[in-house]
Amino acid sequence: QVQLKESGPGLVQPSQTLSLTCTVSGFSLTSNSVHWVRQPPGKGLEWVGAIWSGGSTDYNSALKSRLSISRDTSKSQVFLKMNSLQTEDTAIYFCTQLPVYWGQGTLVTVSS
Amino acid sequence: DVVLTQTPSTLSATIGQSVSISCRSSQSLLDSAGNTYLYWYLQRPGQSPQLLIYLVSNLGSGVPNRFSGSGSGTDFTLKISGVEAEDLGVYYCMQATHAPLTFGSGTKLEIK
Repeated sequence: QVQLKESGPGLVQPSQTLSLTCTVSGFSLTSNSVHWVRQPPGKGLEWVGAIWSGGSTDYNSALKSRLSISRDTSKSQVFLKMNSLQTEDTAIYFCTQLPVYWGQGTLVTVSS
Repeated sequence: DVVLTQTPSTLSATIGQSVSISCRSSQSLLDSAGNTYLYWYLQRPGQSPQLLIYLVSNLGSGVPNRFSGSGSGTDFTLKISGVEAEDLGVYYCMQATHAPLTFGSGTKLEIK
C-alpha cells in the first residue's frame, strides 16, 4: 500500500538550513508527483512545492528563493531543503501524493 | 494566486444535524479541458488531512455517503447529511486547477 514518511530534525536554529526527507513506498517516483505542504501550529495548510514524475519542480512563490526539492528515485526518497529559516517557518511539514495519500507530518521548530 | 474563501469559519452542530460549508474561489476552477480540480479534506485533531471529495462531487475511498460535494465555476459546497461525532475537525477545500495549488482557510466543526 502507499505510504509516505517524513524525517528530519525537530529543531532548527534561526538562519540555518532545514533538510527533510520523505521516504515513500507502494508507488514509483517516476510515475507520481510528491508535494510538500506545511501547517503552522493551530493554523491552516500551505502548499510548499512539488517534484513531478519527470523530475521538474514547482515552488510556492513566497518561498522559492529559499527552497529546493529533489529526489533519489533509487531510494524512493524526496528531499526538501529550505535555507535562512525564521520563526515563521515553524510548522508541521507533510509530504503527500496528492490528493489521497499523506505522511504523518513532522514538526519543525525554528528556535535558538 | 487563487484565493479560496471558506464560510463559516466555525460551525457547531448536534449529532444528526445536516450542515453545509461553502468554498468560493477568486477565479473559475473549470479548466480548458472541462475539468474542475476542487477537493475537500477533513483534518481530525492530531491527524493528517483525509480526502473526502475529489473533482467537486466524487466520494473518496471509504468515505461515508453522508458527505457530498456540489458546485461549479467559483462556488462549491460540502454537505454533511447527519453529523456524527467522528466528523469533528477542520474541513479544507483545495484547488489544483491553477498553479500554485491553494487551500481554503478551513472550517472548524464542533459537536454540541
